[in-house]
Amino acid sequence: DVKVTQSSRYLVKRTGEKVFLECVQDMDHENMFWYRQDPGLGLRLIYFSYDVKMKEKGDIPEGYSVSREKKERFSLILESASTNQTSMYLCASSSWRATGELFFGEGSRLTVL
Amino acid sequence: SQQGEEDPQALSIQEGENATMNCSYKTSINNLQWYRQNSGRGLVHLILIRSNEREKHSGRLRVTLDTSKKSSSLLITASRAADTASYFCATGTQGGSEKLVFGKGTKLTVNP
Repeated sequence: DVKVTQSSRYLVKRTGEKVFLECVQDMDHENMFWYRQDPGLGLRLIYFSYDVKMKEKGDIPEGYSVSREKKERFSLILESASTNQTSMYLCASSSWRATGELFFGEGSRLTVL
Repeated sequence: SQQGEEDPQALSIQEGENATMNCSYKTSINNLQWYRQNSGRGLVHLILIRSNEREKHSGRLRVTLDTSKKSSSLLITASRAADTASYFCATGTQGGSEKLVFGKGTKLTVNP
């Protein structure tokens, strides 16, 4: 089974802190994605990556950056956390050889105080 | 760039009844996918239907796609309390390396 693991299920940070959200997948997938999910807004794509060291902006990249130094790991970075970044963050991966199905992690619920 | 919009936003039914959720989208697609999310958890892929398909089945799930109306429906037959979850449609334009666009979801409650 594909496993996508997000390092933290719950985090509480203070405004201005630097926050790292880590995601690791074990199926050798080329593609990895970060979404955020907010009530009434659904899932919105922050960043995605089709290969190591490659990254592309999604629909809401402002205030975020990403890092993909290894194929299995995709990190989301909040350089200076703000209260409006309080959200559920979902990492996903997929293979370009397949149909486009995404495999999701369990999510990281971030609260910024 | 929200693509899919699910309808209704919330649905409450009794165990054993069928549940139907609809999804409308705006642009041409390669495929449409349905996902399920239990409260506070990640999303799980349920079924994918390609743009050249009209209907697809998987167990108690039946998905239809009408590309002329840019709409899809997900039918869950003989629902169970364990089906209680949020259901999302997602549209893709490429296949393979997809950048899916998700709707806001339908929250389904199945009462025992």
